[in-house]
Amino acid sequence: DGGITQSPKYLFRKEGQNVTLSCEQNLNHDAMYWYRQDPGQGLRLIYYSQIVNDFQKGDIAEGYSVSREKKESFPLTVTSAQKNPTAFYLCASSLGLEETQYFGPGTRLLVL
Amino acid sequence: GENVEQHPSTLSVQEGDSAVIKCTYSDSASNYFPWYKQELGKRPQLIIDIRSNVGEKKDQRIAVTLNKTAKHFSLHITETQPEDSAVYFCAARGAGSARQLTFGSGTQLTVLP
Repeated sequence: DGGITQSPKYLFRKEGQNVTLSCEQNLNHDAMYWYRQDPGQGLRLIYYSQIVNDFQKGDIAEGYSVSREKKESFPLTVTSAQKNPTAFYLCASSLGLEETQYFGPGTRLLVL
Repeated sequence: GENVEQHPSTLSVQEGDSAVIKCTYSDSASNYFPWYKQELGKRPQLIIDIRSNVGEKKDQRIAVTLNKTAKHFSLHITETQPEDSAVYFCAARGAGSARQLTFGSGTQLTVLP
């Protein structure tokens, strides 16, 4: 778990603003994921990436964008099109899509 | 796509008693079923997992059972302790192009001293 870091721990977004959440891993994992967690709900998949320069939409991709230019990094941008962004965002990684996923510590996004 | 239902949403037990959390899944091709424990404000951590070619797996006080015919799997915690208090999530992973994990909605377990 210590090999996956997310920053910042808390993030505040103003109306109409895009914000970017950072996720870095030093586990040499090929696959990375972004999940959104709302109170009383399970984790929902936003985007995932099987390998560098490739990523796929998850169940709730609208209003979000990602990039995977480096194996270690998978940043998530919450765009102004996401009308209800307040949530706990979790990044995860795994050796491959069929391997165990390990989670980062999360970023809590709040709207001002 | 896959749909995972988890019950109960809250569970309170006395210290030393057993706790059981159940999940059902919809995709008969799903082949991997992990369980995660999440303490308040922390990251989910894998506590046990099971693959579809196994019916039961045990790790000290924790066990998971899988019934592929009925498409359900369960987490069993014996001799519960206050530090077992947390939210527990089940998940199922599909096969082929649907290899993402789909999570249940979570169970808040409270172990009363």
